[in-house]
Amino acid sequence: GAVVSQHPSRVICKSGTSVKIECRSLDFQATTMFWYRQFPKKSLMLMATSNEGSKATYEQGVEKDKFLINHASLTLSTLTVTSAHPEDSSFYICSAVGRGNTIYFGEGSWLTVV
Amino acid sequence: AQSVAQPEDQVNVAEGNPLTVKCTYSVSGNPYLFWYVQYPNRGLQFLLKYITGDNLVKGSYGFEAEFNKSQTSFHLKKPSALVSDSALYFCAVRDRRQAGTALIFGKGTTLSVSS
Repeated sequence: GAVVSQHPSRVICKSGTSVKIECRSLDFQATTMFWYRQFPKKSLMLMATSNEGSKATYEQGVEKDKFLINHASLTLSTLTVTSAHPEDSSFYICSAVGRGNTIYFGEGSWLTVV
Repeated sequence: AQSVAQPEDQVNVAEGNPLTVKCTYSVSGNPYLFWYVQYPNRGLQFLLKYITGDNLVKGSYGFEAEFNKSQTSFHLKKPSALVSDSALYFCAVRDRRQAGTALIFGKGTTLSVSS
């Protein structure tokens, strides 16, 4: 079946540095991918919609200069957290739209900023 | 605007008893409705979805859900709970008129099944 892969699954970075999270659709092409953020035991908050070959669409309240999204190919979208701070620590999940508009989710990436 | 409400933060049930996790939705058009489960430190696993047709939808691991248009509900049910069903459950909605848009999630309900 369709699989969406995220990498890394866990990352620790120092305050002020940047970290990149990758989201790949492994056996289908995804023109649209979504990035969510989840706090512990909380719901998934949509951050942005990533469209291949164009700029991402950010949800209200999400800083586009802080959370850089690039969707350079039909199988890869990246989320870069720039100048990370401890409050950026969270679980980030991507999803991709596959055949028949079915949405598939990645396993998520834990970011800890120290 | 689309929204999903899961009125219960936590549901507790004894193993072997039936379980229900509630979900109501608000969408301007006709909805696509989904249930996902999340185990600790893991991503989301798809359980079932309602697209059209029969209001009773059967999904993975013995779960089912019934779409009730008049009550705008899509409650998740299972006839006999297992301890391994303990997890965080999310209801989600998407407006079928907006193909390819993101799912909007409820806040989640923690299911705890005791042995």
